[in-house]
Amino acid sequence: NAGVMQNPRHLVRRRGQEARLRCSPMKGHSHVYWYRQLPEEGLKFMVYLQKENIIDESGMPKERFSAEFPKEGPSILRIQQVVRGDSAAYFCASSPLKQGGDTQYFGPGTRLTVL
Amino acid sequence: GEDVEQSLFLSVREGDSSVINCTYTDSSSTYLYWYKQEPGAGLQLLTYIFSNMDMKQDQRLTVLLNKKDKHLSLRIADTQTGDSAIYFCAETYNQGGKLIFGQGTELSVKP
Repeated sequence: NAGVMQNPRHLVRRRGQEARLRCSPMKGHSHVYWYRQLPEEGLKFMVYLQKENIIDESGMPKERFSAEFPKEGPSILRIQQVVRGDSAAYFCASSPLKQGGDTQYFGPGTRLTVL
Repeated sequence: GEDVEQSLFLSVREGDSSVINCTYTDSSSTYLYWYKQEPGAGLQLLTYIFSNMDMKQDQRLTVLLNKKDKHLSLRIADTQTGDSAIYFCAETYNQGGKLIFGQGTELSVKP
């Protein structure tokens, strides 16, 4: 059973470009979470999605950031018009249960660098 | 409010025990987790404990939970150089799936 997959592992963008980060959850998992880790900091929750639904987006910046988890295919975290402050590691986690509290398994992360 | 605090650094000698501490503020936490992050890598789940438990042991790892003081600890017995990493504690609640993380404790194991 493959773990949580994220791609790309490293992404370099210039200011103003768009960044697309992909996450494929573990097989059988229908719940996806995105977290951001700024340098020298812990992980901060961004968004929690179930297939075709956003369950909790309380940690998402109000502008430029969006997330989706379509019926088919991976979950996508999209950052429009990136700025240097968006440079961070973005981690995706998945879990199998409908409600929170079950174990979340993390992917290897995408390290975004904005030049 | 939601807040999880950890000390930032811990240095031990190989073969000693390591104890990493964590405090949290929300008494409605139901699950508490310990994750390990090696440089440039993702988070590896080490162990977790339900809030109705006081202790959980898993091979070299022992988790202690003091609900009254909202204090969680991770003890690593016979610490090895391969245990050098950043250790995160995290909590979650019934009403949402999000994990609230501490800022991480960097464990350095010296030979």
